[in-house]
Amino acid sequence: QKEVEQNSGPLSVPEGAIASLNCTYSDRGSQSFFWYRQYSGKSPELIMFIYSNGDKEDGRFTAQLNKASQYVSLLIRDSQPSDSATYLCAVSGGSGGYQKVTFGIGTKLQVIP
Amino acid sequence: DAGITQSPRHKVTETGTPVTLRCHQTENHRYMYWYRQDPGHGLRLIHYSYGVKDTDKGEVSDGYSVSRSKTEDFLLTLESATSSQTSVYFCAISGQGATEAFFGQGTRLTVV
Repeated sequence: QKEVEQNSGPLSVPEGAIASLNCTYSDRGSQSFFWYRQYSGKSPELIMFIYSNGDKEDGRFTAQLNKASQYVSLLIRDSQPSDSATYLCAVSGGSGGYQKVTFGIGTKLQVIP
Repeated sequence: DAGITQSPRHKVTETGTPVTLRCHQTENHRYMYWYRQDPGHGLRLIHYSYGVKDTDKGEVSDGYSVSRSKTEDFLLTLESATSSQTSVYFCAISGQGATEAFFGQGTRLTVV
């Protein structure tokens, strides 16, 4: 079982819709959760992090964490074509230690104009 | 943008030759990481460093070694390159108490 699971997609949504990206993790001791965005041929860039159960909002982005279900999600409201990218879920703080970050394979998002 | 520079950006090398990739940071961050990214596998940790001369293995460390003699530089060496090491390599840094990682531009390595 992979430590961080994501559906590779592609997830296609129309412009203006809400994109919902999901991630599950296996290490129940994990403490920190991140979402990175990676455009094709570019390096990953951090867009959200969350440490506590519940929702965290930043502009059009909302990260949701449910530790009991070992589930993290990212919602993108009013999706734009410029949001088309691969979104990587990352987790740290489990048995690997606080500084070792484990990534999922990423979900490719396509926003259709 | 975080001050991270990877060199070279692209390299083609022959099987069996040693290869060294360099990561240089200007942020004075304690932690530095080397990842490889391959289709279907995502980002996988090769090695990381938690200080000068302090390094540890990641999940795909076989065939790779690292060195960190200065805070700002983290070198990744492929002792004898193989075709399975064809990949995109990313360096990342993070500061003390924070696990948000900032990535370099990546190095595309092709082993022929």
